[in-house]
Amino acid sequence: EIVLTQSPGTLSLSPGERATLSCRASQTFSSSYLAWYQQKPGQAPRLLIYGASSRATGIPDRFSGSGSGTDFTLTISRLEPEDFAVYYCQQYGSSPRTFGQGTKVEIK
Amino acid sequence: EVQLVESGGGLVKPGGSLRLSCAASGFTFSTSTMNWVRRAPGKGLEWVSSITGGGSYIYYADSVKGRFTISRDNAKNSLYLQMSSLTAEDTAVYYCARSDSSSSPCDYWGQGTLVTVSS
Repeated sequence: EIVLTQSPGTLSLSPGERATLSCRASQTFSSSYLAWYQQKPGQAPRLLIYGASSRATGIPDRFSGSGSGTDFTLTISRLEPEDFAVYYCQQYGSSPRTFGQGTKVEIK
Repeated sequence: EVQLVESGGGLVKPGGSLRLSCAASGFTFSTSTMNWVRRAPGKGLEWVSSITGGGSYIYYADSVKGRFTISRDNAKNSLYLQMSSLTAEDTAVYYCARSDSSSSPCDYWGQGTLVTVSS
């Protein structure tokens, strides 16, 4: 099983600032199978990034993903008020399709 | 428009059973891999199970293997999760989610249905 560890657990930032979220895997896997999701309270998760760096349909270009091997990053270039949420990484190349534990991006 | 609507959640006693359903529309259900993902109170997302379009390949998280059964009815565009031997640790919002294939991310999600296991 591939274990994904996200850091930090909580990120306190102000609107307009840059957010950098990390996802580290317990073993190497293809970046083709790394996704990032956003979840707001009371809502379903939303796919942001797939294949480590491809934006899903309708996702603003302030969201970008990068990385390979065991280290992956989600960057939000300039935080908008609607971006404050919990973010999860997931690997979907092998079963179990594990998620990281999440990073909460909160308003400072 | 893609729609995934879960139903069947509720309050169940420890050791009990429950069957969740997910009604799908707006896409070709029979060729899509379908997934169940849950989020327990105060915790993160946990993948539960996946089933490929034809139902040939089924996968489970270790935490539910032997207790949960995923199935689908392509004629009815419906996904199911039969849950048995439920414990308090199964209390969560259960989401139905679609993937284009077994090696694709979950691109569409339902709003979830709450399962509470309590005496």
